[in-house]
Amino acid sequence: GESVGLHLPTLSVQEGDNSIINCAYSNSASDYFIWYKQESGKGPQFIIDIRSNMDKRQGQRVTVLLNKTVKHLSLQIAATQPGDSAVYFCAENMETSGSRLTFGEGTQLTVNP
Amino acid sequence: GAVVSQHPSRVICKSGTSVKIECRSLDFQATTMFWYRQFPKQSLMLMATSNEGSKATYEQGVEKDKFLINHASLTLSTLTVTSAHPEDSSFYICSAIRGPDTQYFGPGTRLTVL
Repeated sequence: GESVGLHLPTLSVQEGDNSIINCAYSNSASDYFIWYKQESGKGPQFIIDIRSNMDKRQGQRVTVLLNKTVKHLSLQIAATQPGDSAVYFCAENMETSGSRLTFGEGTQLTVNP
Repeated sequence: GAVVSQHPSRVICKSGTSVKIECRSLDFQATTMFWYRQFPKQSLMLMATSNEGSKATYEQGVEKDKFLINHASLTLSTLTVTSAHPEDSSFYICSAIRGPDTQYFGPGTRLTVL
């Protein structure tokens, strides 16, 4: 079946740097994408979402970019802090599948002080 | 943001016993909830869609007789792992839909089957 994948399984950055986490998706019919943060032993926490009619969306310290041409999604975290250390998942949804999400493999972000 | 709770947070049981996990939406009503399982250092795998007042919809490969789901009210869904075995040990996470399609996740339940 089609899946959502990530280019980098781990990412290590220095505190204060910007982080970029990437995600490749293969289902061109997906029209809704979400980034989640999961800390160890906890459930995923919603960060930001974007619909396929947009190519960029900004939140507080985070920006999601969507490139439908190459089926690529990225999460940019500005001024990364130690508290940002976690596993980040992208997830995709197709309107025709209801609210069911397909999760990517995840990227472990480590922020070094 | 929306709050979803799970109970218990951790459970250890003997092989062959059944375990019930509760998922509650605390500040909103959810006609649809989802159940996921997650093995260490892996992604979330959708197990089933829990629909209030109707039967759950299971993903391919998930045994409906082993993972019983009941969604008796707009704020509560339960997952019962029947005749649990060590291979059922995992992190079980629920989510609830709020608004058109935003999923909010519970904190997860760590199941260990001895």
